[in-house]
Amino acid sequence: EDQVTQSPEALRLQEGESSSLNCSYTVSGLRGLFWYRQDPGKGPEFLFTLYSAGEEKEKERLKATLTKKESFLHITAPKPEDSATYLCAVRAGGFKTIFGAGTRLFVKA
Amino acid sequence: KAGVTQTPRYLIKTRGQQVTLSCSPISGHRSVSWYQQTPGQGLQFLFEYFSETQRNKGNFPGRFSGRQFSNSRSEMNVSTLELGDSALYLCASSSAGEGTEAFFGQGTRLTVV
Repeated sequence: EDQVTQSPEALRLQEGESSSLNCSYTVSGLRGLFWYRQDPGKGPEFLFTLYSAGEEKEKERLKATLTKKESFLHITAPKPEDSATYLCAVRAGGFKTIFGAGTRLFVKA
Repeated sequence: KAGVTQTPRYLIKTRGQQVTLSCSPISGHRSVSWYQQTPGQGLQFLFEYFSETQRNKGNFPGRFSGRQFSNSRSEMNVSTLELGDSALYLCASSSAGEGTEAFFGQGTRLTVV
């Protein structure tokens, strides 16, 4: 069965304290892996797309990496404005998109 | 370039009623997907349309239906509303490619009382 699992469920960091979020997946026929950021009451905001193992993408303090079984979202020197829920989604064969439950990130000044 | 537009933003309905939500995708995008988001279940896939054809459907009862028009705008309908249908309904659009990213609207917050 196709599945996407994100960990941890919640993460509390001090400003400047770097860390990583994990997204592990089991799908048939990976077409792409996506990272989104969601603020309360708003729609998810697209961050990155990764297609193959070894691929990396960067944007400001965020860096996404992909292996054959998981993806990591690394946050370097986070700021309070990085506080949000980060969602991982996988596009599988058959036009199916599966979202993980998300990681709620809290960054304290 | 305008983003994905969902209307209305907020809606309150009574059990047993029906509701129609609307989504206008990004110009040039032909694929529209719908999701239900609740605190307990997260983002759950409802269905995806491409060029007016439904090409995938999630595990939701038949009370949930949708359609896409020739201009790619999409509507989602829920009949015989139940309290458990209260959720944030999100629409996302993407270009034709199967592995391309989707861009979300702000959602419609539906409350069933």
